[in-house]
Amino acid sequence: GAVVSQHPSRVICKSGTSVKIECRSLDFQATTMFWYRQFPKQSLMLMATSNEGSKATYEQGVEKDKFLINHASLTLSTLTVTSAHPEDSSFYICSAGGQGSSATEAFFGQGTRLTVV
Amino acid sequence: GDSVTQMEGPVTLSEEAFLTINCTYTATGYPSLFWYVQYPGEGLQLLLKATKADDKGSNKGFEATYRKETTSFHLEKGSVQVSDSAVYFCAYKGRGNEKLTFGTGTRLTIIP
Repeated sequence: GAVVSQHPSRVICKSGTSVKIECRSLDFQATTMFWYRQFPKQSLMLMATSNEGSKATYEQGVEKDKFLINHASLTLSTLTVTSAHPEDSSFYICSAGGQGSSATEAFFGQGTRLTVV
Repeated sequence: GDSVTQMEGPVTLSEEAFLTINCTYTATGYPSLFWYVQYPGEGLQLLLKATKADDKGSNKGFEATYRKETTSFHLEKGSVQVSDSAVYFCAYKGRGNEKLTFGTGTRLTIIP
């Protein structure tokens, strides 16, 4: 199957700093990518939908100024957590859909565990 | 609105036991249905999928059948192994929509 690479897998940062997480589709072009957040022992909560070349669409309750998403090319989307605080500590996962809405499968990155101290 | 209801865990079974994890959905039209597995410390991996009614998805000994009449997609395995210990997520995707909606996940632990 297709490969989605997410980096870094783990990051520890100080409160108030910003952290960038990258999500790359390695062997296909991803017009749409999704960013999820997973709290301990809970399901994945969709944060935003990232579309190549246009602004991301954020889910209700997600602060777009805090979670900056950039999808500048068909193989790369980035999520930047700005002015991170301990409550932003979580597991962040990206996924990439294929071209066109007829695609039935999403491919997930390995996830990034963010710890804000 | 559309949703996925998944059997809550945690579930603990002995090795070689029979496994069922229930999943039902509420959606309009004919969604595609998925089971994803998350091993400790890793991201999600697609386990199996079904795209239309009566389809059976299968992989690694796991099976799930898309039942439109009961709006269900229960995950089953005849004989579980310790290596099956993970969190399992049921998910669906509506036609013409790339967004996946996940169930709450079921943590499965298999003891030797």
